[in-house]
Amino acid sequence: DSGVTQTPKHLITATGQRVTLRCSPRSGDLSVYWYQQSLDQGLQFLIQYYNGEERAKGNILERFSAQQFPDLHSELNLSSLELGDSALYFCASSVEASGTTDTQYFGPGTRLTVL
Amino acid sequence: GQNIDQPTEMTATEGAIVQINCTYQTSGFNGLFWYQQHAGEAPTFLSYNVLDGLEEKGRFSSFLSRSKGYSYLLLKELQMKDSASYLCAVKFDFNKFYFGSGTKLNVKP
Repeated sequence: DSGVTQTPKHLITATGQRVTLRCSPRSGDLSVYWYQQSLDQGLQFLIQYYNGEERAKGNILERFSAQQFPDLHSELNLSSLELGDSALYFCASSVEASGTTDTQYFGPGTRLTVL
Repeated sequence: GQNIDQPTEMTATEGAIVQINCTYQTSGFNGLFWYQQHAGEAPTFLSYNVLDGLEEKGRFSSFLSRSKGYSYLLLKELQMKDSASYLCAVKFDFNKFYFGSGTKLNVKP
């Protein structure tokens, strides 16, 4: 158990809909990262937040957005869903403090199925 | 992004040694991580290299050559439970992380 929690574990929805995925980082971690992993593909970095502010952006679609709240939990919002958005969505957290390795610890993931 | 390359799949025998290679673009390099991922599960951290050389951690070791943009993960005394995907991840600049597509390792009896 990495200490990172994600809800829900599974989500099934229809095209055109909007969903919200939630992540709680490990205690003490200030950074949260979101990744998408489609079948037979590697982890695609979407976005990173540090202490409530957006820090880095990867291959995140305009239909997707995220935020990190004062209690450091984060939400990833996916809208106008398409079949191709079906994937495992992972959240990871790290301390990201000076002198640390920034090792990311991953949550169990949310499996999104768009029908 | 950043062309992180690793072999797609490898097969090895229980008890043997296997080396999984990873190459990357050197510009902006700021650290390399290896993760293990069993199918349908979250990646778990194995090792971290930021300086040249070998880092040993039990049956697993990781090597880095920054000038060559090259790393490898060495797994010794292979066990069946080591069958998994091994992901090479590179940190570029301050905080941009890129993962390779992963190497699926099959350990056979």
